[in-house]
Amino acid sequence: NAGVTQTPKFRVLKTGQSMTLLCAQDMNHEYMYWYRQDPGMGLRLIHYSVGEGTTAKGEVPDGYNVSRLKKQNFLLGLESAAPSQTSVYFCASSQLPSAPTGTDTQYFGPGTRLTVL
Amino acid sequence: QQPVQSPQAVILREGEDAVINCSSSKALYSVHWYRQKHGEAPVFLMILLKGGEQKGHEKISASFNEKKQQSSLYLTASQLSYSGTYFCGTEKLVGARQLTFGSGTQLTVLP
Repeated sequence: NAGVTQTPKFRVLKTGQSMTLLCAQDMNHEYMYWYRQDPGMGLRLIHYSVGEGTTAKGEVPDGYNVSRLKKQNFLLGLESAAPSQTSVYFCASSQLPSAPTGTDTQYFGPGTRLTVL
Repeated sequence: QQPVQSPQAVILREGEDAVINCSSSKALYSVHWYRQKHGEAPVFLMILLKGGEQKGHEKISASFNEKKQQSSLYLTASQLSYSGTYFCGTEKLVGARQLTFGSGTQLTVLP
C-alpha cells in the first residue's frame, strides 16, 4: 500500500496563476482533509470531505476550492495564487469513526511545498 | 480555537524525560498526538479520549485531564529518534471529524 500520496512535491507559481494539488489514498478511507502548515502555526484545516461527492469548509478555506469526484482522490485548487498562500500543504485521510471510540487516526501524505512569487 | 502547547521547545540529553502539555479552553472529546520530523509528514502516536485511561506507545505515554481540559505527553528515557516536533490535535465532539492542531513543541534530543 502506498498510503496517502501527493502530487506534485514542489511547485513555484507566480501571483495570479492557478494550480491543482492532487491527493490520492489507497486505504479505502471515507474522510479526506487538506491542511496548510506555516512556520509556528501548526496545521490548519482548509477543506475536508466526508465521502465521495461531498466537501466542507475548514478553518481557512478562502482562496481555495476542492473536489472529491472519486473516493480515492481529493483535489485542492488555487484559482488565483497569492504570496500569502506560500506554505506546505498536507493531505490526510481517515476511516469512518469506529466504535467504541467514535474517532479515528488521520494518515498524512508527504506534503507539497508551494511558493508563490 | 487552537489548543495551547507548552513548552514551545525543549532540549534534552539522551535518557532524560520530558513532558509536553496541550490545553484547551473548550471542552474536548479527544486529543490526538502526532510527531513530525523535519521535512516529513506528521506521524500518528496515540489518541486520548474523554473519560479514557492513560495510553502508551513504546516509552511514550499520555494522559487526559478532563477537569483541566489538558492532555500531557510523557517521553521517558528519551532516544535520539524522539527528536522532532510534537503536535496535539483536539476534537470537540464525538464524530466531529475535524482536528484543531496546536502550534507544536520542538523536541531536540542530544547524545
